[in-house]
Amino acid sequence: AQRVTQPEKLLSVFKGAPVELKCNYSYSGSPELFWYVQYSRQRLQLLLRHISRESIKGFTADLNKGETSFHLKKPFAQEEDSAMYYCALILGNTGKLIFGQGTTLQVKP
Amino acid sequence: DTAVSQTPKYLVTQMGNDKSIKCEQNLGHDTMYWYKQDSKKFLKIMFSYNNKELIINETVPNRFSPKSPDKAHLNLHINSLELGDSAVYFCASSQGPGQSYGYTFGSGTRLTVV
Repeated sequence: AQRVTQPEKLLSVFKGAPVELKCNYSYSGSPELFWYVQYSRQRLQLLLRHISRESIKGFTADLNKGETSFHLKKPFAQEEDSAMYYCALILGNTGKLIFGQGTTLQVKP
Repeated sequence: DTAVSQTPKYLVTQMGNDKSIKCEQNLGHDTMYWYKQDSKKFLKIMFSYNNKELIINETVPNRFSPKSPDKAHLNLHINSLELGDSAVYFCASSQGPGQSYGYTFGSGTRLTVV
């Protein structure tokens, strides 16, 4: 079954500390994965797409097919990074986007 | 110039009422979606339309009926509202089903049923 798992509901770090938000997926096809961010009471915004291999706001994510993971990383967290982060997997030609449960990142001063 | 706009932003209504949420996108996208975010912040797809044609219809009570008059609009009508319908409903669009560019989301409609 297709599934996205984010094992941590809450991740709390101090400003300047490294951050890693975990994401694992289960999918029989070739996965296309995304990270979305939702700041407090705002819309979801696309943060990263694995196919573009980009770095946005200092965040990167590498697809590891062997470990079926797509962890989101940032070397030095900022207070403005505090938000809910969702990992998502797109399913084939239906375009259905399956989300993980979300991880709240709290960056303390 | 909002890409995906939803109205209303907030909706408080009594159980048993019928209500509609409207969504419009000006991105020229072919595909639109409705997602529900529950109280635990879990996001689940409800419906998807591609060029006015329904392509995804998840296990949603038939009190929920989507309507797409054209590819830029996708409305959600809910009959006989129940307490459990309280959630944030997000509209989204993408260039097409299965596109790798991801979705563009609206700002959400917070529905509270009392």
